[in-house]
Amino acid sequence: TQLLEQSPQFLSIQEGENLTVYCNSSSVFSSLQWYRQEPGEGPVLLVTVVTGGEVKKLKRLTFQFGDARKDSSLHITAAQPGDTGLYLCAGAWTGNQFYFGTGTSLTVIP
Amino acid sequence: KAGVTQTPRYLIKTRGQQVTLSCSPISGHRSVSWYQQTPGQGLQFLFEYFSETQRNKGNFPGRFSGRQFSNSRSEMNVSTLELGDSALYLCASSLSRGNTEAFFGQGTRLTVV
Repeated sequence: TQLLEQSPQFLSIQEGENLTVYCNSSSVFSSLQWYRQEPGEGPVLLVTVVTGGEVKKLKRLTFQFGDARKDSSLHITAAQPGDTGLYLCAGAWTGNQFYFGTGTSLTVIP
Repeated sequence: KAGVTQTPRYLIKTRGQQVTLSCSPISGHRSVSWYQQTPGQGLQFLFEYFSETQRNKGNFPGRFSGRQFSNSRSEMNVSTLELGDSALYLCASSLSRGNTEAFFGQGTRLTVV
């Protein structure tokens, strides 16, 4: 059973397009993180959201934490080939045990 | 400052053998967690160590074990390897416990043949 479900699982878009990735759960998390992982590498932390309703921006990336702290979204504006990778959300539960989402594999075609 | 260092990067073992993987966390970080990543299951939590004690454990068989040393470096051991243990093993370092940010190493790619 996956605590965190991400959608879509795969996404292939043209350079310059916008996209949104979703991370949903029936559980409440005290914080939620987004990571990007490239093939053969470990996940790299993009952002941490803590407060329900919080919105954070990182250049062309906008992250939102749901009001009830059960879901989150990642919106990318004007996607670039360098955005290609596996996007993972992770919810903090007990201690430092993070539950990872199923992942969204993004391919941006030049 | 240096990031999380995992060694070795790649490893090929035979079924039935055992393997030890190493993780050196970011300097000053005291919490180390281990994850297994496979295409079918995604990232699965193995265990977390803090102050040389295992604090949390995921749903893995007893063949998977770990330990943490006084300098916060951690090792994980897998005994009696099975083909299904082939995966990318990732170590994450955190400053302390309590939902702090986790920083990952590049991982160790284990192939069991």
